[in-house]
Amino acid sequence: NAGVMQNPRHLVRRRGQEARLRCSPMKGHSHVYWYRQLPEEGLKFMVYLQKENIIDESGMPKERFSAEFPKEGPSILRIQQVVRGDSAAYFCASSPTLLTRGGNTIYFGEGSWLTVV
Amino acid sequence: GENVEQHPSTLSVQEGDSAVIKCTYSDSASNYFPWYKQELGKRPQLIIDIRSNVGEKKDQRIAVTLNKTAKHFSLHITETQPEDSAVYFCAAYNAGNMLTFGGGTRLMVKP
Repeated sequence: NAGVMQNPRHLVRRRGQEARLRCSPMKGHSHVYWYRQLPEEGLKFMVYLQKENIIDESGMPKERFSAEFPKEGPSILRIQQVVRGDSAAYFCASSPTLLTRGGNTIYFGEGSWLTVV
Repeated sequence: GENVEQHPSTLSVQEGDSAVIKCTYSDSASNYFPWYKQELGKRPQLIIDIRSNVGEKKDQRIAVTLNKTAKHFSLHITETQPEDSAVYFCAAYNAGNMLTFGGGTRLMVKP
């Protein structure tokens, strides 16, 4: 059972370009979460999605950032017109169902490191 | 929403000593508390978790305690080894089915 798969692992973009980060959850998982980690800082929640639905995007910047989790294919985190401050590690995580159910937890992918030059 | 505070931000111990990291949370409805270990340049990895129906859980050298009344939980690592050096994050599950993380503790185990 493959884990949470993210790609690309490393991405370099010039200011003003677009960055697209992809995440395939673990098999059987229908809940996807995106977290951002700035250098030397903690994990900040960005968005929580289920298939075809954004459940909570309260941590997502209002401009330039968007996320989707289509019926088919991976979840995508899209950053338009990147700026240097977007340089960070973006972690995707997935869980099988509501965390209130015993035995379920959240697993992280390896992360996508975005560098804006 | 949930707010998780974690202390200390850095912790240095001698190999073989114990390390304790403490977290507090704000949402009394939170009922799931995992701990993650993150090595440099790698993903956070779950090391232990606890649910609100238990007060303590142990796995070899690692233990976690939970005090629901006081809304705090702690990670205890005994007989620390250099490979325990990493950043540790606590987290609390809130009603929105999301994990809110503490700010992290950088643990350094000196040989």
